Amino acid sequence: DVKVTQSSRYLVKRTGEKVFLECVQDMDHENMFWYRQDPGLGLRLIYFSYDVKMKEKGDIPEGYSVSREKKERFSLILESASTNQTSMYLCASSPTFGTANEKLFFGSGTQLSVL
Amino acid sequence: AQSVSQHNHHVILSEAASLELGCNYSYGGTVNLFWYVQYPGQHLQLLLKYFSGDPLVKGIKGFEAEFIKSKFSFNLRKPSVQWSDTAEYFCAVSGGYQKVTFGIGTKLQVIP
Repeated sequence: DVKVTQSSRYLVKRTGEKVFLECVQDMDHENMFWYRQDPGLGLRLIYFSYDVKMKEKGDIPEGYSVSREKKERFSLILESASTNQTSMYLCASSPTFGTANEKLFFGSGTQLSVL
Repeated sequence: AQSVSQHNHHVILSEAASLELGCNYSYGGTVNLFWYVQYPGQHLQLLLKYFSGDPLVKGIKGFEAEFIKSKFSFNLRKPSVQWSDTAEYFCAVSGGYQKVTFGIGTKLQVIP
């Protein structure tokens, strides 16, 4: 079974701190994603990456950056955390797009609280 | 840009009732369509997907969905729900640009 592991289940940070959320997948997937999940807003795409060192902005990239130095690892960075970034963050990976294998595998999520 | 609209945000049903959750998408080209489910305390998982071929697709636990291209719809159905179907259901679309866009989700509560 594919495993997508997020480093922390719960995280509490202070306003202005730099925050790193780590995600590792073990299935050699090309594509990796970061979403945030908020009640009443569903999942919103922050950033995604389709290859090492490649990144694309999603629908709500402001205040975030990402890093993908190795194929299995995709990091989300909050440069200066703010209270409106309190949310559940979900990492996902997927094999090649446009094929019948296309499917997102999700991690368990990181609940981030910014005080 | 692609987008997804889910019509029902909160649905309450009694066990054995039939379920239909609406999903419409907007995208001008070829799409892949998905329904994901999140059971309480669990991570999101794929329920079913449409890639090509037969527009009626069957998924796990007796769920099915029909892709109607002319209506840009991909509604989820189940003839008889069970208490264990209580969950949040998300419709999603992937078109161009290798990104997957989700709807806001529908919370389904099944009453025994």
